Amino acid sequence: AQSVTQLDSQVPVFEEAPVELRCNYSSSVSVYLFWYVQYPNQGLQLLLKYLSGSTLVKGINGFEAEFNKSQTSFHLRKPSVHISDTAEYFCAVRVALFGYGNKLVFGAGTILRVKS
Amino acid sequence: DTEVTQTPKHLVMGMTNKKSLKCEQHMGHRAMYWYKQKAKKPPELMFVYSYEKLSINESVPSRFSPECPNSSLLNLHLHALQPEDSALYLCASSQVDAGSYNEQFFGPGTRLTVL
Repeated sequence: AQSVTQLDSQVPVFEEAPVELRCNYSSSVSVYLFWYVQYPNQGLQLLLKYLSGSTLVKGINGFEAEFNKSQTSFHLRKPSVHISDTAEYFCAVRVALFGYGNKLVFGAGTILRVKS
Repeated sequence: DTEVTQTPKHLVMGMTNKKSLKCEQHMGHRAMYWYKQKAKKPPELMFVYSYEKLSINESVPSRFSPECPNSSLLNLHLHALQPEDSALYLCASSQVDAGSYNEQFFGPGTRLTVL
């Protein structure tokens, strides 16, 4: 079964420092991978997605992620974080439901705390 | 319009109450989803509707009853809930194209508290 593992439950970082949030996936077939952000008391917003093609994916708010097939990883990075990036970040893998849409299976989430 | 709307934003109910959550989208999507997110946990799929028919029920207790009256609306009827059902309920929608990755668009959620 397809799944994702987020290796860090919380990541504290100072403002303007770089950050990496780690995600590993488990799948024997081609994968579609996503990073979502959830601000307190809000729904989920798509940051970026990997479907195929270039392994470096750029998303919104200055985030990017690199798909690494050999390491089965899809880590999220930002070169310089802001206080406003404080949120919970979820890595997710799509499981196709063949004609019924698709199902997202989420990792446990990583809380990014940006300190001034 | 790429928005999924959910009402109400917050709901407090007793264990004997009957209430409903509503979700609406006007993107022409033919798949709609209910996810449940407990505090400090990731969202978990509850139901999938495809072309207004229930296609997936992830072993959800019968006190949760979904309904899809048309292609734009998705309801979740609640009855005899337990305090452990308190959670954020997220609705999402997507296309159902076999050749597409079918991005899911999420609503802001309904924060449910069962007393």
